[in-house]
Amino acid sequence: AQSVTQLDSQVPVFEEAPVELRCNYSSSVSVYLFWYVQYPNQGLQLLLKYLSGSTLVESINGFEAEFNKSQTSFHLRKPSVHISDTAEYFCAVSYSTDKLIFGTGTRLQVFP
Amino acid sequence: AAGVIQSPRHLIKEKRETATLKCYPIPRHDTVYWYQQGPGQDPQFLISFYEKMQSDKGSIPDRFSAQQFSDYHSELNMSSLELGDSALYFCASKLEVIGTEAFFGQGTRLTVV
Repeated sequence: AQSVTQLDSQVPVFEEAPVELRCNYSSSVSVYLFWYVQYPNQGLQLLLKYLSGSTLVESINGFEAEFNKSQTSFHLRKPSVHISDTAEYFCAVSYSTDKLIFGTGTRLQVFP
Repeated sequence: AAGVIQSPRHLIKEKRETATLKCYPIPRHDTVYWYQQGPGQDPQFLISFYEKMQSDKGSIPDRFSAQQFSDYHSELNMSSLELGDSALYFCASKLEVIGTEAFFGQGTRLTVV
């Protein structure tokens, strides 16, 4: 069965500092990996996805994630965060066209 | 670009009442998913439809039912509401093709009092 583990429930960081949000998954088959962001009282927005090909994927707002098959990880990174990045971040996995299985989320809190 | 539309955005119901949540997928999307997100929780998959047929079922209570109509919109019907049903309910739609992602609506916040 597929599952997703986000080890950090909260990550506090100062503005302009780098950040890494960790995500590990378990699956016996090939999976697709996603990061979604949820701002307060908002829906889920896709941040980036890994389907195949290059293991490093990037978003338009400076986030990147690297698929590491040997470590079954898909950690999200940003070299310099902004106050506006404060949100809940969910890692998710799916198999083929199947439903998404979400991690428990990581609350990123950026302080000035 | 058109997004997934959910209505209503907010809903307050009393215990034992019924509620109907609606989801209008992105045009030409043939698959709809419903998720439930409790306070401080991650979204949990409830049920999905592909081409108007139920395609998968998750942790959906028997008190809940859903369907997808000929115009591809979907409705989640919830009866005998309990306090624990208070949550954010998301609908997502996608094109059932490998390599495409699901797009989420803004959600319906249901509060049962």
